[in-house]
Amino acid sequence: EADIYQTPRYLVIGTGKKITLECSQTMGHDKMYWYQQDPGMELHLIHYSYGVNSTEKGDLSSESTVSRIRTEHFPLTLESARPSHTSQYLCASSEGGTSGTTDTQYFGPGTRLTVL
Amino acid sequence: KNQVEQSPQSLIILEGKNCTLQCNYTVSPFSNLRWYKQDTGRGPVSLTIMTFSENTKSNGRYTATLDADTKQSSLHITASQLSDSASYICVVSDRGSTLGRLYFGRGTQLTVWP
Repeated sequence: EADIYQTPRYLVIGTGKKITLECSQTMGHDKMYWYQQDPGMELHLIHYSYGVNSTEKGDLSSESTVSRIRTEHFPLTLESARPSHTSQYLCASSEGGTSGTTDTQYFGPGTRLTVL
Repeated sequence: KNQVEQSPQSLIILEGKNCTLQCNYTVSPFSNLRWYKQDTGRGPVSLTIMTFSENTKSNGRYTATLDADTKQSSLHITASQLSDSASYICVVSDRGSTLGRLYFGRGTQLTVWP
């Protein structure tokens, strides 16, 4: 099992609250990712990072922001949560090699966010 | 448009039976294809990965095939177990960027009944 952790696993909050979803990995991976997944739908990339101080927006527009101050830590923040942000958020990491095999992504267990 | 389509959307089988899940893709240029297993409430876990030159890869009771000419892949599960109940996701990577862009299918929801 991959050494990538997400907290909290479940979060129910009210509209307008600021939240931070935590993601940590102990594999020393350079690349990290945040995905959003709704039930029965495909994963959508919302943020990624090549390494420390590197962050990029993914394919799906998101009002969230991320930071990468340490290699092992890649938190995602929503400044003002809305019901439309209700979803499952998955964090992943990979070694960062150019080979397709070494770039296998390892996923955390996810955070199920519900905004009332 | 780069897409990954999976079928069936859902499948119910009895414990001990075999099943085959399908994946068709239009991703180009192609780098590799992965099958992931995602248990309910968990993150996906990689089962197999195949590059352009590989046409079959096994992982225990899971056997994946790839036909790069027709852009089709299948995942065959032998002697199913209750623990096989999960969503199986086909993921295709392109060679078009440094990131190795991933294209995800919506998954096949497999339920194994006793």
